[in-house]
Amino acid sequence: DAEITQSPRHKITETGRQVTLACHQTWNHNNMFWYRQDLGHGLRLIHYSYGVHDTNKGEVSDGYSVSRSNTEDLPLTLESAASSQTSVYFCASSPDWAQETQYFGPGTRLLVL
Amino acid sequence: GNSVTQMEGPVTLSEEAFLTINCTYTATGYPSLFWYVQYPGEGLQLLLKATKADDKGSNKGFEATYRKETTSFHLEKGSVQVSDSAVYFCALSSNTGNQFYFGTGTSLTVIP
Repeated sequence: DAEITQSPRHKITETGRQVTLACHQTWNHNNMFWYRQDLGHGLRLIHYSYGVHDTNKGEVSDGYSVSRSNTEDLPLTLESAASSQTSVYFCASSPDWAQETQYFGPGTRLLVL
Repeated sequence: GNSVTQMEGPVTLSEEAFLTINCTYTATGYPSLFWYVQYPGEGLQLLLKATKADDKGSNKGFEATYRKETTSFHLEKGSVQVSDSAVYFCALSSNTGNQFYFGTGTSLTVIP
């Protein structure tokens, strides 16, 4: 069955370190998204991509970057982790056409000490 | 701009009670509307959706009707179960792009 996976599921790191969170989908979806989930804020969009080599900033992109070298993967990098980036991160993907359902991964819980 | 406002939680209900979670939206164009559910420790799963005015989405006993005149998409269930305990998110997707806009989520706990 097609799916979307995230790794690691849990990560503890120190302030200032670079961290990369992986997202892999097997649906062959062109659209991929990264969100963070924090109490009181719901889900906030970090970055998104509409296809290979396409990346766009979302609502809360400062301190994060993404790259899209193939259809299946959209890794999220925290250039220099900060305590404010402690959160749960979700990756999602959707087909090409507008307004189609987004499918979510299981999430990565990140703690920055 | 696009935004979603949903009912603050947490909500606690007894088993077999009636559930309503309110959701209103602001959108440009003609959005599609969604309800997602998040069980503890998991990602979001699509619960139901509606793509045009007066459409009713339904799944697992949950229903929501797309009301353009009141810009609302309230989630209802006639008789909740303990297994419905989760966080529920209302969301919209504008027809001018592929981005989603989520509400802040409503936590539901159903007690036996």
